[in-house]
Order: sequence, then C-alpha cells, then structure tokens
Amino acid sequence: KNQVEQSPQSLIILEGKNCTLQCNYTVSPFSNLRWYKQDTGRGPVSLTIMTFSENTKSNGRYTATLDADTKQSSLHITASQLSDSASYICVVGSEQAGTALIFGKGTTLSVSS
Amino acid sequence: DAGITQSPRHKVTETGTPVTLRCHQTENHRYMYWYRQDPGHGLRLIHYSYGVKDTDKGEVSDGYSVSRSKTEDFLLTLESATSSQTSVYFCAISESGRLGNEQFFGPGTRLTVL
Repeated sequence: KNQVEQSPQSLIILEGKNCTLQCNYTVSPFSNLRWYKQDTGRGPVSLTIMTFSENTKSNGRYTATLDADTKQSSLHITASQLSDSASYICVVGSEQAGTALIFGKGTTLSVSS
Repeated sequence: DAGITQSPRHKVTETGTPVTLRCHQTENHRYMYWYRQDPGHGLRLIHYSYGVKDTDKGEVSDGYSVSRSKTEDFLLTLESATSSQTSVYFCAISESGRLGNEQFFGPGTRLTVL
C-alpha cells in the first residue's frame, strides 16, 4: 500500500534553534517528493520538489534531503523563526495513476520565543 | 495563493441539502483539483479536471460531483450533504498533469454539515 509517514507528529522548539522533520514512504513507482508548508487556515505552499536523482535541495533556511534507496526524506530548518510555526507536509508523486500525489499527515511545528 | 480564490470560505449547512463550492483561477492553468483535508488524514483527492468538460475521479469521489464549463472555474457539488463530508476543501491548479509540475493551492473552504 502506498503510504507516506511523517515524524514527529508535533514538535516545539525555541526561536533560533534548528530542527529536522522526517518522512518515510512506501510509494512505488516513485516520481518525486515534495515538502509543503501549511500555515493555519491557509492552503499548502510548496517549499521543494526533488526527483529521484536529487538528494538535496534548499530553499532559504529550508533544506530537504532525499535517500531514494532507503525511501526516506528529511526537512531541515535552520535558525528557526516564529513564522516557521506551521504544518509541514511531505508529498510523494507516483506515476501509478496519472496525477497521483500521496500526502503525509504532516508535522506540526511550533516555534516559541 | 497563486491567483486562486475559493467561495464560500466558510459554510454551515444541514444534512441532506445540496452544496456547491467554487474554485476560480486567473492563471489559465489547464489542470484543477479538489482535495479534502481531515484530522488524522493527509489531503485526499476528490476529483480533478484536465480541461473544460474533462474530469476524472480521485481517491474519495463518492458523494461528490464536479463540473468545469470554463477554464477558470471548477465547481464541486455535494448533491446531498452528509456529516461525513464536514471537512476543509482545497482547490489546486497546475499547468499540466505531469508529476513534476507544481500544484498551487487555494485558501480553502471550511464546510460544516450538521
């Protein structure tokens, strides 16, 4: 069964600290992996998209890594800010069914001052 | 929100009533999608459209219908709303259906069925 599992479910960190969010997937065939940020009450916004051949991609203070062999990805946030408080969603694209995207349940990050 | 609006943004209705949600885009993207987001679940695809009058079912299409008569508008209809359809509904758009294409999401519609 195609699944995307994220950990931890929630996380609280102090402003200025770094953190890493995890994503494990069992999706096959694999096309790409995305990380989205979703602020409370808003739609998800894309942070990164990585294909099979990419193992690192950065977007400002956000760095995503992908290990296609172990089917794991991580999202590292550097020098966190209060505005980083949001849900972070890992999404895997699969060619199995055309436009199929399989969404994880998200990790809720709270950054406190 | 990438030129995507959803209306209404909030709606409370009663079981058994019909409900129509509207998604409007100004990006002229070919593909449009309806998702629902529920606690304990990732976003799940309801229906999508790959052109005017061209639609297909997603993972959780039962109880929903869609229509697309213009490139810019994609309507989601609940013919007879049930409490299980209480959810937050997101519209998304993409230039093509290729999996490498970015999907841009609207602000969402919170629907409560009493």
